Amino acid sequence: AQKITQTQPGMFVQEKEAVTLDCTYDTSDPSYGLFWYKQPSSGEMIFLIYQGSYDQQNATEGRYSLNFQKARKSANLVISASQLGDSAMYFCAMRETQGAQKLVFGQGTRLTINP
Amino acid sequence: DVKVTQSSRYLVKRTGEKVFLECVQDMDHENMFWYRQDPGLGLRLIYFSYDVKMKEKGDIPEGYSVSREKKERFSLILESASTNQTSMYLCASTPGTGVNTEAFFGQGTRLTVV
Repeated sequence: AQKITQTQPGMFVQEKEAVTLDCTYDTSDPSYGLFWYKQPSSGEMIFLIYQGSYDQQNATEGRYSLNFQKARKSANLVISASQLGDSAMYFCAMRETQGAQKLVFGQGTRLTINP
Repeated sequence: DVKVTQSSRYLVKRTGEKVFLECVQDMDHENMFWYRQDPGLGLRLIYFSYDVKMKEKGDIPEGYSVSREKKERFSLILESASTNQTSMYLCASTPGTGVNTEAFFGQGTRLTVV
């Protein structure tokens, strides 16, 4: 069954440091997509980055990069040079190509950036 | 600007009431989803729909039903609201093809059942 696990309920880092948010997944579908979303205190869901299961290179979007280790079934989000505005909830999600392309999310990690 | 719109931002209902949460998208997306978000539990999928009148149960369908009579509208129904259904409800949509397209979310409905 499709499953996403985020094991870090909360993370605290100093401004300007890099931070890695962990995400592991489980699926039997060889074709799938992995997503990271940010949810600030306002509640909106902001798409950050996408990684396809067949992509050869790790995805990058500005200060965000995805450390994709397919054999270990992990898709960690790396934020470089963190900023105060990065404080938010972060969710990892997966969408399979089989069936109805259900989209499932992990439990989330609350990131707090300290000045 | 693409949009997913949920009918209410905040809602207070009484135990036992029938509650309708409405979601409308203007992107002609085939797939629509209803999640509830609770602290420490993340977003849990209640129901999703991949076409008009088609639906599938998610991970926590008990106490909920859905309706999709038109492509752009996906309704979540609480047949008899209970206090344990107090939560934030999020609607999302995605195109029918292409696993690489992100989901678009509504602004959320915070439902309180008293």
